[in-house]
Amino acid sequence: SAVISQKPSRDICQRGTSLTIQCQVDSQVTMMFWYRQQPGQSLTLIATANQGSEATYESGFVIDKFPISRPNLTFSTLTVSNMSPEDSSIYLCSAWSAGANVLTFGAGSRLTVL
Amino acid sequence: GQNIDQPTEMTATEGAIVQINCTYQTSGFNGLFWYQQHAGEAPTFLSYNVLDGLEEKGRFSSFLSRSKGYSYLLLKELQMKDSASYLCAVDYNYGQNFVFGPGTRLSVLP
Repeated sequence: SAVISQKPSRDICQRGTSLTIQCQVDSQVTMMFWYRQQPGQSLTLIATANQGSEATYESGFVIDKFPISRPNLTFSTLTVSNMSPEDSSIYLCSAWSAGANVLTFGAGSRLTVL
Repeated sequence: GQNIDQPTEMTATEGAIVQINCTYQTSGFNGLFWYQQHAGEAPTFLSYNVLDGLEEKGRFSSFLSRSKGYSYLLLKELQMKDSASYLCAVDYNYGQNFVFGPGTRLSVLP
């Protein structure tokens, strides 16, 4: 299965600022996704990162708040914009390899917004 | 919606066997995954079921009944390191729509 490098692993941010999380996969994958996981909770899908086009967002998530890029089949970024303390969470990049039938996760980025 | 249900918490004793159940809505089902997640870490893949029956992998086994919308993860010979959250996830659109259950927090006691 694919190996995913995600950075930063953690950050402490000030209210009103923006932070971009990077996700690099070691092989070409079919799909890439961004999830949020709040403390003690399960994973919530933010959006599907589409290669070369706009991401597909889930209900409750919008492009202005969570802009996503996927310029090629192995790389994606998620930006958390105009952060507030409610955005404090773990953000996880994941990749789906159709041939392997496995959804693999990056190590996650733990954001704390003060 | 595509609700997935799991027990929130379970407790078991070291050396014992524990079964974690997962129920899901069957419409659009394309496969079911189990993940293990230790506190502060990313989920790691445990198993994948797409056909009915039992898949065994060492101390862990996973069962699927597509007609009943039911799966379970069976952990044998429990070890302290098995204390973690176990997430059931369903693929509802051939790798384009994964829905995760709430997770089951398992505590293994000495």
